[in-house]
Amino acid sequence: DAGVIQSPRHEVTEMGQEVTLRCKPISGHNSLFWYRQTMMRGLELLIYFNNNVPIDDSGMPEDRFSAKMPNASFSTLKIQPSEPRDSAVYFCASSSPTGLAGDGVSHEQYFGPGTRLTVT
Amino acid sequence: GQNIDQPTEMTATEGAIVQINCTYQTSGFNGLFWYQQHAGEAPTFLSYNVLDGLEEKGRFSSFLSRSKGYSYLLLKELQMKDSASYLCAGEAGGSYIPTFGRGTSLIVHP
Repeated sequence: DAGVIQSPRHEVTEMGQEVTLRCKPISGHNSLFWYRQTMMRGLELLIYFNNNVPIDDSGMPEDRFSAKMPNASFSTLKIQPSEPRDSAVYFCASSSPTGLAGDGVSHEQYFGPGTRLTVT
Repeated sequence: GQNIDQPTEMTATEGAIVQINCTYQTSGFNGLFWYQQHAGEAPTFLSYNVLDGLEEKGRFSSFLSRSKGYSYLLLKELQMKDSASYLCAGEAGGSYIPTFGRGTSLIVHP
């Protein structure tokens, strides 16, 4: 398997522009996560999908951020309009939880290589 | 909610043993993950603990005490390539969503 695929790997844009980040999870995984990582705040969960349905989007900073998962093999994270404070590395991760949460079965997340976003 | 606390940085010598601690406070708790992240790369899974005790996996071991809200990652026979950030992540009750700590940057020197 190719693992989680993200594109682009690097994005440099000007403030006010729209940015779209893309993710292809591992085939067969039914959970998908979008994270943002900065030196100041560490790794923050933005949104979590299960079976293509957004389950928890409490981490999405504000209305400028939106995420979609139209099918099991593709997700996008969009920022419109972008601001300099959005500069960070954005990771997508997928997992395949089986059984019940807390049943002792590990359901580790597999992370993509990340997209390094710079907004000037 | 959850609160994960771990040291910011540690240094150790090649060949030595190092223990990275993590404490967590959570309203419910399933289990605890450790991930390794090299500079400029994505986090990769190391371990998952649900039950109290030590689980060994090669040079790496992970310990959990549920009653104390405490975990540690033990790295033996340190190698230069072990220089990385180590992320502790707690999983809340009834959820598959982990909350990550800020990570501990481990520097291994000759």
